[in-house]
Amino acid sequence: SFVLTQPPSVSAAPGRTARIPCAGNDIATKSVHWYQQRPGQAPVLVSYYDRDRPSGIPDRFSGSISGNTATLTITRVEAGDEADYYCQVWDSSSNPVVFGGGTKLTVL
Amino acid sequence: EVQLVESGGSLVRPGGSLRLSCAASGFTFNHNAMAWLRQAPGKGLEWISAISGGSDTVYYADSVKGRFTISRDNSKNTLYLQMNSLRTEDTATYYCSTLNTWFEFDFWGRGTLVTVSS
Repeated sequence: SFVLTQPPSVSAAPGRTARIPCAGNDIATKSVHWYQQRPGQAPVLVSYYDRDRPSGIPDRFSGSISGNTATLTITRVEAGDEADYYCQVWDSSSNPVVFGGGTKLTVL
Repeated sequence: EVQLVESGGSLVRPGGSLRLSCAASGFTFNHNAMAWLRQAPGKGLEWISAISGGSDTVYYADSVKGRFTISRDNSKNTLYLQMNSLRTEDTATYYCSTLNTWFEFDFWGRGTLVTVSS
């Protein structure tokens, strides 16, 4: 089955740029979505269809894909961005929904 | 405003059953595919089931296939998850979500906690 690999943690100072990678074989052939989950809260969709943003999500959040890696980039990082971030794709297999293991963003 | 409110979570013994509900409002329920996902304590997100707007297509993760059943009542704007033969590893917060065009989960409820323990 399809596997998405994320680093357990990423850190960035306030005002700087955070990049959260999500690696998967031939990931560019799939639509990649990203979720933010703050502590004690439900996940929130922050990027979908590789690079689109839902209504209400700041343009500081952007998705991209290059080669076998999708990346969520957060510019001008704020304290409130500290959260777990998950990538997700739909795969045409018996287990069609695949999540990455999640990356904890720490704002220094 | 889209609202999804899960209910039905509780403490249950291994081998027991439970039915979760998700009351939806703020959108045309029967036009939307829906899904259940879960998150074990301190762990990542896991998708477990999805259902099309008309209930004609359903999907299950291998981890729950044969034990859990997803259904919906479009007249009541409610999504259900019948969980049978529960195991300790089913302990998690269960979320319902809308499932959109590109198979993204665009709106989530706050979740309901299911604890399977003797």
